[in-house]
Amino acid sequence: DQQVKQNSPSLSVQEGRISILNCDYTNSMFDYFLWYKKYPAEGPTFLISISSIKDKNEDGRFTVFLNKSAKHLSLHIVPSQPGDSAVYFCAAIGAGGTSYGKLTFGQGTILTVHP
Amino acid sequence: GAVVSQHPSRVICKSGTSVKIECRSLDFQATTMFWYRQFPKKSLMLMATSNEGSKATYEQGVEKDKFLINHASLTLSTLTVTSAHPEDSSFYICSARDRERSYNSPLHFGNGTRLTVT
Repeated sequence: DQQVKQNSPSLSVQEGRISILNCDYTNSMFDYFLWYKKYPAEGPTFLISISSIKDKNEDGRFTVFLNKSAKHLSLHIVPSQPGDSAVYFCAAIGAGGTSYGKLTFGQGTILTVHP
Repeated sequence: GAVVSQHPSRVICKSGTSVKIECRSLDFQATTMFWYRQFPKKSLMLMATSNEGSKATYEQGVEKDKFLINHASLTLSTLTVTSAHPEDSSFYICSARDRERSYNSPLHFGNGTRLTVT
């Protein structure tokens, strides 16, 4: 039962353009959403997060949008840079029940930014 | 700040032996640490939640006798893979949450341990 889904295994973008990574979730107990960036053989690094009471959070080149009614969030990176090439994981934290305080991850999307 | 150190980064062991992986929070205290496992080209799957001073809670389908977790202090949790078999070969990653932060604050991750069982 995949409660957090990233349906695009990979995304290829030209340098300078916008990268849009998508994520869907099913568990209504999730109230906080995060994006992590991961390189091979390393642990994930936190990028940006958003609370369920907001619909947008921006940090430099990174913006996360949340559509709570659609249970959908997206990460926008603009402008994209070759150094952004990595695997991006969407994750969610629950406010209660068995998901309380735990991070549930999506499958990840491999982003490749071409020079 | 918020550094999590995981050791070893890579280990190769023979089938039937046990392997211990350490996870330390270097500049913060963590009452809760989490152990994840990542299969090739797959997501990070939560194995168990390590609670300082008490028993770990395991996710469904994870054998607690196979994956022993000890959280003896506020800065150290260990995962021991007992009687390892080739199917236990995987990338194991620990994470920790600062005890001063709320339940929904980001987790900080170690760099993972690549376990290969021959």
